[in-house]
Amino acid sequence: DAKTTQPTSMDCAEGRAANLPCNHSTISGNEYVYWYRQIHSQGPQYIIHGLKNNETNEMASLIITEDRKSSTLILPHATLRDTAVYYCIVRLNTGGFKTIFGAGTRLFVKA
Amino acid sequence: AAGVIQSPRHLIKEKRETATLKCYPIPRHDTVYWYQQGPGQDPQFLISFYEKMQSDKGSIPDRFSAQQFSDYHSELNMSSLELGDSALYFCASSLGRVRAPRYNEQFFGPGTRLTVL
Repeated sequence: DAKTTQPTSMDCAEGRAANLPCNHSTISGNEYVYWYRQIHSQGPQYIIHGLKNNETNEMASLIITEDRKSSTLILPHATLRDTAVYYCIVRLNTGGFKTIFGAGTRLFVKA
Repeated sequence: AAGVIQSPRHLIKEKRETATLKCYPIPRHDTVYWYQQGPGQDPQFLISFYEKMQSDKGSIPDRFSAQQFSDYHSELNMSSLELGDSALYFCASSLGRVRAPRYNEQFFGPGTRLTVL
């Protein structure tokens, strides 16, 4: 699996957009970008994934650069409950492959 | 919707004792994964099973073993427990490659917190 690089921590004001960057310069053509988050001591939670097109769901948006070497997860209106560690993961999209967690970004949403 | 169930949620053991953690995947999921998360660390993959066969192996100590049963639930057996085994143990489930050739969302359980004294 390709390695990813994320900032160690970020702050965001409640109600503002949180933009979490991720570098994955060694991503291969058939690997997808997945985002998970882990709220303190809870099980990791799937957020969104994509290959090369931008994606949006009820939780977030995912912007992937044209060369696919980096991406940004956007939480459009961060709330205090979005405070968590966010993991950017690159892996195949076929079912059954393990998740390799790197050092994610600890997002602090402040009132 | 049904989620991944893990039991027990909390477990306290003494050094050199054994422990068994259980995981019940989401109905219809055929793949189970085990992860270990030490204090202040990121989750680390231990082992996975697909259709009751071991499908991948990570940094699982030889003292640990696991299996997946015919009803797809899985158990992680841990022997000769050490202080360093104190951690959160997460189980995740998903569809495997045959039934999900282009989809790999994994659903994680709430975890079992193991404390070794």
